[in-house]
Amino acid sequence: EPEVTQTPSHQVTQMGQEVILRCVPISNHLYFYWYRQILGQKVEFLVSFYNNEISEKSEIFDDQFSVERPDGSNFTLKIRSTKLEDSAMYFCASSDPSGPAHFGETQYFGPGTRLLVL
Amino acid sequence: SQKIEQNSEALNIQEGKTATLTCNYTNYSPAYLQWYRQDPGRGPVFLLLIRENEKEKRKERLKVTFDTTLKQSLFHITASQPADSATYLCALRGGATNKLIFGTGTLLAVQP
Repeated sequence: EPEVTQTPSHQVTQMGQEVILRCVPISNHLYFYWYRQILGQKVEFLVSFYNNEISEKSEIFDDQFSVERPDGSNFTLKIRSTKLEDSAMYFCASSDPSGPAHFGETQYFGPGTRLLVL
Repeated sequence: SQKIEQNSEALNIQEGKTATLTCNYTNYSPAYLQWYRQDPGRGPVFLLLIRENEKEKRKERLKVTFDTTLKQSLFHITASQPADSATYLCALRGGATNKLIFGTGTLLAVQP
């Protein structure tokens, strides 16, 4: 069964450094997402991406964050200058656009990247 | 602001019993409600989706109900097994957005 993959599984970085988290969505999906989960808290939406542009973003997704689809398979999240509070699990998700109301219905999540900022 | 509450942080039941998890929401009119399973250190795994015009959905031992008047969804696992032990997340989505809003989850422990 196709699945979303993410690399690396763990990333440790120093405050102020840039990190790039990588995702390979399910191959026929066209909507891509990033969510994060701070330890012990709920999963929070960061951004959605469709047709090579951001379709929606949350208040968390400020100028320090950016997303890119550099080729036909990868989807990346870049944090330009990491802060301590960026430490979290970051999940990539994707969905198929063939659902009703134009948006894909079910979002399938990857295993996550655990980011620790020191 | 939108709020999603899931019953009790933890639920303990005996193997073979039916587990019932609750998701209540306020200040929102979701078009879709989804249930996910999350194991420690892993990503959410999709289980069931129910639309606003549907009352009930089933999949094997799982059943979800959706009452838009009460603003509540119930998630049932029948004939529960220790392997069902995990955190179960409720997530809502509106009709004009693809952003999922998650609840805090309920940790289910099925005792053998």
